[in-house]
Amino acid sequence: SQQGEEDPQALSIQEGENATMNCSYKTSINNLQWYRQNSGRGLVHLILIRSNEREKHSGRLRVTLDTSKKSSSLLITASRAADTASYFCATITGGGNKLTFGTGTQLKVEL
Amino acid sequence: DAGVIQSPRHEVTEMGQEVTLRCKPISGHNSLFWYRQTMMRGLELLIYFNNNVPIDDSGMPEDRFSAKMPNASFSTLKIQPSEPRDSAVYFCASSSDRPDTDTQYFGPGTRLTVL
Repeated sequence: SQQGEEDPQALSIQEGENATMNCSYKTSINNLQWYRQNSGRGLVHLILIRSNEREKHSGRLRVTLDTSKKSSSLLITASRAADTASYFCATITGGGNKLTFGTGTQLKVEL
Repeated sequence: DAGVIQSPRHEVTEMGQEVTLRCKPISGHNSLFWYRQTMMRGLELLIYFNNNVPIDDSGMPEDRFSAKMPNASFSTLKIQPSEPRDSAVYFCASSSDRPDTDTQYFGPGTRLTVL
């Protein structure tokens, strides 16, 4: 079963707007990562936030983590058409480096 | 670095045939992962190796699936015999064991169609 559930499943916005995607997970984690997948391509790592961190920034990306609610959010500011993709959260639990992926949010940014 | 390399990129085969997917991880990475992605089931981890040793194969669907990693620079995922329900995109990913680097680097995937 999926560790992470993304919300919403699909999101359509206009270029320049902000996009917010949420991820909920079930068990305690070591870290949470966000990946992007363009249609027909492999996944690309965007950002990693550790369990002892609450917020992290990378360019136009802002990730928050609330371990008490077992949830994370990914904010993309000033979206561009090139941001159109599916976005997945993924978690690592316990030892090892096995990632468990969520169900993904399909983002469409229209001109 | 060329990134994770997968071959073939596309494979069309008939039910009952053997299919072999290949992966070359990023040089120096200790862990290698095989995933399957379908619309119905999303992204599933099939198996992962660390230092060429299979660590977790709980995601391998059934005995028709097998994976090997004979050395640090090559892995195969074999399906024998293949069935139409095996149609999916299969991704290989690799990562380093260095501290604070849990990032996985994905290959472009192999799109498998079993007729």
